[in-house]
Amino acid sequence: AQTVTQSQPEMSVQEAETVTLSCTYDTSESDYYLFWYKQPPSRQMILVIRQEAYKQQNATENRFSVNFQKAAKSFSLKISDSQLGDAAMYFCAYRSGGGTSYGKLTFGQGTILTVHP
Amino acid sequence: DTAVSQTPKYLVTQMGNDKSIKCEQNLGHDTMYWYKQDSKKFLKIMFSYNNKELIINETVPNRFSPKSPDKAHLNLHINSLELGDSAVYFCASGWGLVIDTQYFGPGTRLTVL
Repeated sequence: AQTVTQSQPEMSVQEAETVTLSCTYDTSESDYYLFWYKQPPSRQMILVIRQEAYKQQNATENRFSVNFQKAAKSFSLKISDSQLGDAAMYFCAYRSGGGTSYGKLTFGQGTILTVHP
Repeated sequence: DTAVSQTPKYLVTQMGNDKSIKCEQNLGHDTMYWYKQDSKKFLKIMFSYNNKELIINETVPNRFSPKSPDKAHLNLHINSLELGDSAVYFCASGWGLVIDTQYFGPGTRLTVL
């Protein structure tokens, strides 16, 4: 079974600075997908970024980028130019590329990000 | 135009009662999911339905019974509610065999007194 670990329960950053959230995972599969979801106080789960394991290039979405190290099974999220609206709980999630899981997501424990003005 | 909607958003009930949470998606997806987020914010899959067929049942007590009347709806019925059932329940939808974003509903906060 796959596991996802986020070792930082809480992180904080000053507005306009950069912060990196860590995520490691364990899998024996070669085909899989990784995601970062954001959950603000509103409770809504919002997709931030996703990475296909077969792609060597790190995904980027505006101020959000990932550092995907497949051999190390590491998938960190970098938030540049942090904004107050980035304050939320961030979840790393794993999805198998195989058909049997039917898209089931396995989540890490989450990291609470605080942004200081 | 809400993509995935859940009702109710808040549910407060007594131990031993039976309650249902409804979920609807208008994205045309073939697969729907129920996730549970516990008091420590940990999210875990409970069930998955693909084209109205139960695909994933992750060791959930049989007091929980999902029902999918059609591809756009997935309801969760809980019998004999217990204190430990208090949590936020999220419905989500996506494509089971195609890699794409999974969309989440707003969640239902269930409080069992």
